[in-house]
Amino acid sequence: QSVLTQPPSVSGAPGQRVTISCTGTSSNIGTGYAVHWYQHLPGTAPKLLIYANINRPSGVPDRFSGSKSGTSASLAITGLQAEDEADYYCQSYDSSLSAWVFGGGTKLTVL
Amino acid sequence: EVQLVESGGGLVQRGGSLRLSCAASGFTFSSYWMSWVRQAPGKGLEWVANIKEDGSERYYVDAVKGRFTISRDNAKNSLYLQMNSLRAEDTAVYYCARNIEVVVVATTTHSFDVWGQGTMVTVSS
Repeated sequence: QSVLTQPPSVSGAPGQRVTISCTGTSSNIGTGYAVHWYQHLPGTAPKLLIYANINRPSGVPDRFSGSKSGTSASLAITGLQAEDEADYYCQSYDSSLSAWVFGGGTKLTVL
Repeated sequence: EVQLVESGGGLVQRGGSLRLSCAASGFTFSSYWMSWVRQAPGKGLEWVANIKEDGSERYYVDAVKGRFTISRDNAKNSLYLQMNSLRAEDTAVYYCARNIEVVVVATTTHSFDVWGQGTMVTVSS
């Protein structure tokens, strides 16, 4: 059971918009610790998509955006493309565990 | 090019030991916190350990405390993970990752902005 809760799967057709939620608690996201998002294709290195809640590293398309409110955060992907099919993880810090924590991951399927 | 390359994975018996290495290039290694993150088969990502730039601070997930030791050699641009008393549940792909400190409204946390391709560790029972 992950400290940060994500839906196991989401799906959307090409061109559509999907969102992936990440729900935490008062000891992690709710305390103010930033949320970061990663894209992971099997057999490859994970890729940082969003850092500090809303920021995109250089090279990440603006189709990807992040938001945070209270004890939750969200990743939105607009203009869905076949190449976006991957696993997505949120990550933050938990002060009760004194540990960096990941969500359980969400598998995005492009229909 | 910024790059991290892991090595040292393999098949080991339960209770055995293994030492993972991560070679860094393309950036000033001694200026960054570094981490190990793992992914067990069919599971999600799990942070394992991290170490400060000068090695003066080290942190571990509870599941590996007392068994794993993270270390670094800044002169060799290398990160290590010594794994002892290995268990079946330690079977995973182990990734080396560079940390970026992020400050948001006076609260500091880390993201992982550069990752290696990973090295597989299999613990047989």
